[in-house]
Amino acid sequence: EDKVVQSPLSLVVHEGDTVTLNCSYEVTNFRSLLWYKQEKKAPTFLFMLTSSGIEKKSGRLSSILDKKELFSILNITATQTGDSAIYLCAVPSPMEYGNKLVFGAGTILRVKS
Amino acid sequence: DAGVIQSPRHEVTEMGQEVTLRCKPISGHDYLFWYRQTMMRGLELLIYFNNNVPIDDSGMPEDRFSAKMPNASFSTLKIQPSEPRDSAVYFCASSLRQSNEQFFGPGTRLTVL
Repeated sequence: EDKVVQSPLSLVVHEGDTVTLNCSYEVTNFRSLLWYKQEKKAPTFLFMLTSSGIEKKSGRLSSILDKKELFSILNITATQTGDSAIYLCAVPSPMEYGNKLVFGAGTILRVKS
Repeated sequence: DAGVIQSPRHEVTEMGQEVTLRCKPISGHDYLFWYRQTMMRGLELLIYFNNNVPIDDSGMPEDRFSAKMPNASFSTLKIQPSEPRDSAVYFCASSLRQSNEQFFGPGTRLTVL
């Protein structure tokens, strides 16, 4: 069964700190890994990673994938209170028609001012 | 584009009542997904449709849950009869066939008393 495990489950940091969130996965036919940020409402898309070793960057957020070791990390530098959210990692699990996303439990990040 | 639209945004009902949640996917998307999110179980896929046809409903918890997609722009998730353990946030998401990225609606927060 396809599986996604995220760590830590929760994290409290101070503004300005750098955080690293982890996501490991097991999927029978890997195609990509996605990161989402969920605040009080719906998950919003951050990154899609398909190739090992290529960093994707968006402002203070960056992510990289290691397909050999089956994990990804999401880094947030110079954290701000607005970064407080649940960060979800997901992998598409191929079905006969399309994909269904298998989500990890998420990492709850709280950034204190 | 208005994004995925869900209604109602909040629903409070009594045990035993029928609940109907509604979703309008992004125009042109041919996959539609229903998810449930709780603190205990995280984000779970309930069912998904391709071109209005239900493809995988293995995540539907019980026969009390049913979903329909009568046309490309509308889907419903019905719970009859509802129970307190159905209390959760229900998300609808849509995607394009060639893309792994799913776009989430704002969710319906359901409380069953």
